[in-house]
Amino acid sequence: DIQMTQSPSSVSASVGDRVTITCRASQGISSWLAWYQETPGKAPKLLIYSASTLQSGVPSRFSGGGSGTEFTLSISSLQPEDFATYYCQQTSNYPFTFGPGTKVDVK
Amino acid sequence: QVQLVQSGAEVKKPGASVKVSCKASGYTFSDYYIHWLRQAPGQGLEWMGWINPNSGGTDYAQKFQGRVTLTWDTSTATADMDLSSLRSDDTAVYFCARDFPYCPSLSCYPGANGMDVWGQGTTVTVSS
Repeated sequence: DIQMTQSPSSVSASVGDRVTITCRASQGISSWLAWYQETPGKAPKLLIYSASTLQSGVPSRFSGGGSGTEFTLSISSLQPEDFATYYCQQTSNYPFTFGPGTKVDVK
Repeated sequence: QVQLVQSGAEVKKPGASVKVSCKASGYTFSDYYIHWLRQAPGQGLEWMGWINPNSGGTDYAQKFQGRVTLTWDTSTATADMDLSSLRSDDTAVYFCARDFPYCPSLSCYPGANGMDVWGQGTTVTVSS
């Protein structure tokens, strides 16, 4: 199975800050990577697919990049509704696997 | 609107089985694979498998092979997940999610773009 790691595991930030999360795959996955946002008590929400394509309806302050084994999710100007946990998922090989998550909380 | 609505919380004893249902609405049920995932308390997401509601084809993560069965009913636009021989470490929130396929031509690749619509989650507690 492809192992996914994320860093940092948590980050404290303020509204208006830029936040960047890194996701690494244990082997090359080209651009087959998705990012999700999860808030307590709610189901995950697809933010980005194919590493850098913004899902319909997702604000443009979210962006994704990378290919191969290293990927990033950036939030350009953190908004109150962005405090959440973010997961990356490789969609290259079965079984699909997720990173352990990065929690973005209030500084 | 497009949505997936799951059945309610379950409490089961070790060794028992559980069935979680997922009812789709707002789109043509047979056009999209349905994935099943789970999230143990304080843990990340774990993919369990998918079902093709058009053909009935399935694919399961090896970890769950032999214990999980995915079924569907097109007449009710419902997908079900049966998990047997429950253990305490099966305690988790179980999600169904609609596939978001990558379709560059006449062929589509399930799961390649992730999952775009999720059910609300069903808590399954396994305890003696």
